[in-house]
Order: sequence, then structure tokens, then C-alpha cells
Amino acid sequence: EDQVTQSPEALRLQEGESSSLNCSYTVSGLRGLFWYRQDPGKGPEFLFTLYSAGEEKEKERLKATLTKKESFLHITAPKPEDSATYLCAVEGGGSYIPTFGRGTSLIVHP
Amino acid sequence: GAGVSQSPRYKVAKRGQDVALRCDPISGHVSLFWYQQALGQGPEFLTYFQNEAQLDKSGLPSDRFFAERPEGSVSTLKIQRTQQEDSAVYLCASSFRRLGNEQFFGPGTRLTVL
Repeated sequence: EDQVTQSPEALRLQEGESSSLNCSYTVSGLRGLFWYRQDPGKGPEFLFTLYSAGEEKEKERLKATLTKKESFLHITAPKPEDSATYLCAVEGGGSYIPTFGRGTSLIVHP
Repeated sequence: GAGVSQSPRYKVAKRGQDVALRCDPISGHVSLFWYQQALGQGPEFLTYFQNEAQLDKSGLPSDRFFAERPEGSVSTLKIQRTQQEDSAVYLCASSFRRLGNEQFFGPGTRLTVL
């Protein structure tokens, strides 16, 4: 059974204080690992897809990396508007159904 | 429209009532997913459509839950005889291809069963 574990559950940062969020996964034959951002009262918004170990993708202050067991979402010099819940999902094996983690709630204080 | 839309955004039902939740996916998107999201949790899979075919309904919690997508575009999730444990946010997502593809989510319908 595919499993996705995100840590920490919650993270508080000061504006400009860089950090990383972790997504550990177990899946046979990873087809894709996805990062989403979810603001309160809204649906998840797609950020990145990573397909193979060693792959990296960047968007503004966010950078996602992937190994065979985990993915990191690095946030560089965060701003208050980066506050949100960040969700990780994996798709693999014989299933086309993505399995989501519980998310990391990020709060960035000005 | 530019994105996935869902209606209603909020629904309050008395226990035992039937409800119907609507999802309008992005035009041309083949795949459509329904998820249930409890507070503080990630989305949990309910069911999946490829065009009009419901290929997987293994996540539906009981036979009170039913989903359809008769013309391969708009989808409806119906819950019969609602129970308090059905209270959650119901998310719809669509994607252009079948596999390994990012999903575009609607804003969700928050269902509260009293």
C-alpha cells in the first residue's frame, strides 16, 4: 500500500527564514510525485511534478527535489504570502490514483 | 470557464436528507476525480472517471454514495440519507491526461450534516 508521510505537521517561520518541508513515500514504481499548495477555504493548487530521483524544479522562492525515498520542498526567504498548507501526493504502481499526505501547515510571520 | 467550478460551495443538510454536489471540470479534461477532505487531513480518494466511464469507485465509503458523469464533462456526487460522519469538504479535480498528470482542483463543497 502506498504511503505518504509529511513532516513537520506545522511550521512557523519568520519572514526571510529559509527552511524545508519533507515528504517521505513508499510506492512501487513511482510515476510521479506532486506538490500542491492549499489556502484556507480553497482547493489545492498545483506547484510541481517530479518524476525521477535527482530531479529538481523551481518556482520563485520554492524548490522541489526528489530522491528514491523522499522529496523536499525548500522555501528560500519566505514571505507572509507563502503561508498555506503544502500537500504532497504520489502516483505509482498499478494505480492512477494519487495518494496524498496530510500536509504541512506553514505560517510565515512578518 | 478558466478553472474547475463546484456548486454549491456550502451545503447544510439534516441527517437523512439526500444531497447532490456538482462539478464542472476544465473543458477537454479527460480525467475527473472526487475526493473527501476532513479538517487537517489530505484529500482522500473517492472515485475516478475517464470521460464518462467510472473506472474506480473503490474509495466511496458506502453504497449511500453515488457519482456520475453521463456526458464526460459535468459530474455529480450524490449522497443519500446523509449521516453526520459525511460532514467534510468534497473536492473535485480534473486533469488532461490519465496518468502522471497534475490535477486542477475546484474550490470544494463544504457539507455539514446536522
